[in-house]
Amino acid sequence: DVKVTQSSRYLVKRTGEKVFLECVQDMDHENMFWYRQDPGLGLRLIYFSYDVKMKEKGDIPEGYSVSREKKERFSLILESASTNQTSMYLCASSILQGADNQPQHFGDGTRLSIL
Amino acid sequence: AQTVTQSQPEMSVQEAETVTLSCTYDTSESNYYLFWYKQPPSRQMILVIRQEAYKQQNATENRFSVNFQKAAKSFSLKISDSQLGDTAMYFCAFMKHAGSSNTGKLIFGQGTTLQVKP
Repeated sequence: DVKVTQSSRYLVKRTGEKVFLECVQDMDHENMFWYRQDPGLGLRLIYFSYDVKMKEKGDIPEGYSVSREKKERFSLILESASTNQTSMYLCASSILQGADNQPQHFGDGTRLSIL
Repeated sequence: AQTVTQSQPEMSVQEAETVTLSCTYDTSESNYYLFWYKQPPSRQMILVIRQEAYKQQNATENRFSVNFQKAAKSFSLKISDSQLGDTAMYFCAFMKHAGSSNTGKLIFGQGTTLQVKP
């Protein structure tokens, strides 16, 4: 089975801190994604990466950056955390198989609180 | 741009009964995929079922089946013989076919919280 591991289930940080959320997948997937999940809004894509050192903005990239130095690891960075970034963050990965992308596999999520 | 809408924020069903969750979407693409994902309380999101738009036949996975109406852009999920373990938030999601410069991005609906009652 595919394993997508997020470094923390719960995280509490202070306003203005630089926050790192780490995600590792063990199945050599090309594609990796960061979402935030908020009640009534579903999941919204922050950033995604389809290869090492490649990244593209999703729908809500403001206030975030990402890093993908190795294929298995995709990091989400909150440059200067603000209270409106309090949310559940989900990492996912998927493989490009033949000419098509396969369904995404998700991590357990990180519930981040910014005080 | 594609959008996905789930108009039922919360639903409940008695154990062993059948329930249908609704999903509509909007797209100008002719070839795409639709998914239902399940997120149990405090647990990992998992794939329930997948439908390819070019296939006429509705997908089924054990107690889970879909009613895919391409012209109406509707994609509902039916859960038969509901079990307590089906209690979860369910998300409908859309993905463009890889041939249209897709990188596997999913567009999600708002989610429907389903409570199965004993």
